[in-house]
Amino acid sequence: ETGVTQSPTHLIKTRGQQVTLRCSSQSGHNTVSWYQQALGQGPQFIFQYYREEENGRGNFPPRFSGLQFPNYSSELNVNALELDDSALYLCASSWRTGASTEAFFGQGTRLTVV
Amino acid sequence: AQTVTQSQPEMSVQEAETVTLSCTYDTSESDYYLFWYKQPPSRQMILVIRQEAYKQQNATENRFSVNFQKAAKSFSLKISDSQLGDAAMYFCAYRRAQGAQKLVFGQGTRLTINP
Repeated sequence: ETGVTQSPTHLIKTRGQQVTLRCSSQSGHNTVSWYQQALGQGPQFIFQYYREEENGRGNFPPRFSGLQFPNYSSELNVNALELDDSALYLCASSWRTGASTEAFFGQGTRLTVV
Repeated sequence: AQTVTQSQPEMSVQEAETVTLSCTYDTSESDYYLFWYKQPPSRQMILVIRQEAYKQQNATENRFSVNFQKAAKSFSLKISDSQLGDAAMYFCAYRRAQGAQKLVFGQGTRLTINP
């Protein structure tokens, strides 16, 4: 176990709805990244938060947004859900020092959009 | 943009034997990190091994070792004495040394261990 927890583990939503996924980072970590992993693919970087500010974003539309809280936990929000948003969403936390650091992953949230 | 390619969608090996998973990457950076992650059916990504690009020595972690060829932009993973618990998806990943700690993943290789 990495100490990174995500909730919920599974979720079914209807197209057009909004969803919020949550991540509690490992104790002492100040950076959280979110990834989308479609079935049979490698994870794709959505964005990263460092000290409550977005610090890098992948090729995802603005309807994907996030927050990081003072305790370094994080949320991923997706508005106007589309069928292609069905995927495993992974959260990873790390301690950003500028040197090599390891990212610890949670077990992910499986989102199904119908 | 950086890219990572894993050309073997599936590999299989007999228990106790050795298997090598391939990975190539493309980058214009000189300083970066390379990783191999394992993703079992539990879905959690687990770091197997890490290589710093500035180090010429290949990383080793117990039964896992890498062959890092910087000029060829190649980063293969060798698993010795394969065990049933090694069965999983394996992902090669790249990260720049500076800036956002964004991991760029390959498409993955599904490794099956035959008893």
